[in-house]
Amino acid sequence: QKEVEQNSGPLSVPEGAIASLNCTYSDRGSQSFFWYRQYSGKSPELIMFIYSNGDKEDGRFTAQLNKASQYVSLLIRDSQPSDSATYLCAVKLVAGTYKYIFGTGTRLKVLA
Amino acid sequence: DVKVTQSSRYLVKRTGEKVFLECVQDMDHENMFWYRQDPGLGLRLIYFSYDVKMKEKGDIPEGYSVSREKKERFSLILESASTNQTSMYLCASSSEGDRRNEQFFGPGTRLTVL
Repeated sequence: QKEVEQNSGPLSVPEGAIASLNCTYSDRGSQSFFWYRQYSGKSPELIMFIYSNGDKEDGRFTAQLNKASQYVSLLIRDSQPSDSATYLCAVKLVAGTYKYIFGTGTRLKVLA
Repeated sequence: DVKVTQSSRYLVKRTGEKVFLECVQDMDHENMFWYRQDPGLGLRLIYFSYDVKMKEKGDIPEGYSVSREKKERFSLILESASTNQTSMYLCASSSEGDRRNEQFFGPGTRLTVL
């Protein structure tokens, strides 16, 4: 069974701090990696995607991928109370498949 | 603007009833997905479709079937609803031409089976 694992949290950080969210995956053939944000009572929305080893930055968000360690992370700089949500890590398996595997999500609370 | 809509936000059904959940996307996407989301279990794929009349089982297809007669519409059917199918159901769509491989989600249907 291919798995994507995340700590469920809650992860609490003060406003203005860096929030660090982590995700590990079991399938070495995984090709694409995604971070979705889900506010309570709402549906997930994509905030970052990454395909290559290393860092990818977009505004206050940085995704980090280490395929050798099968590890992907999301850093949120200058965390705001509006960042409080559940963050879902998702992995798309090998090319040519349509399937995504989602982690159970990490709940982030940014304290004002 | 990208849009995925689902037929109901909330639905209450009785055990044994046949239940239809409908999803429509207006983005001309090839791929459509049905997930259920439960606390502690995350998003689990029930079925997906990569073309009209094409479907593939996801990780938890038992007790469900799907129909895709038109590109924009993907229906999830609970043949005989049971209490363990009480859940949040999310539909999503994506395009093979999208380099981001982004899945766009509908607002969800919270189904309660009594």
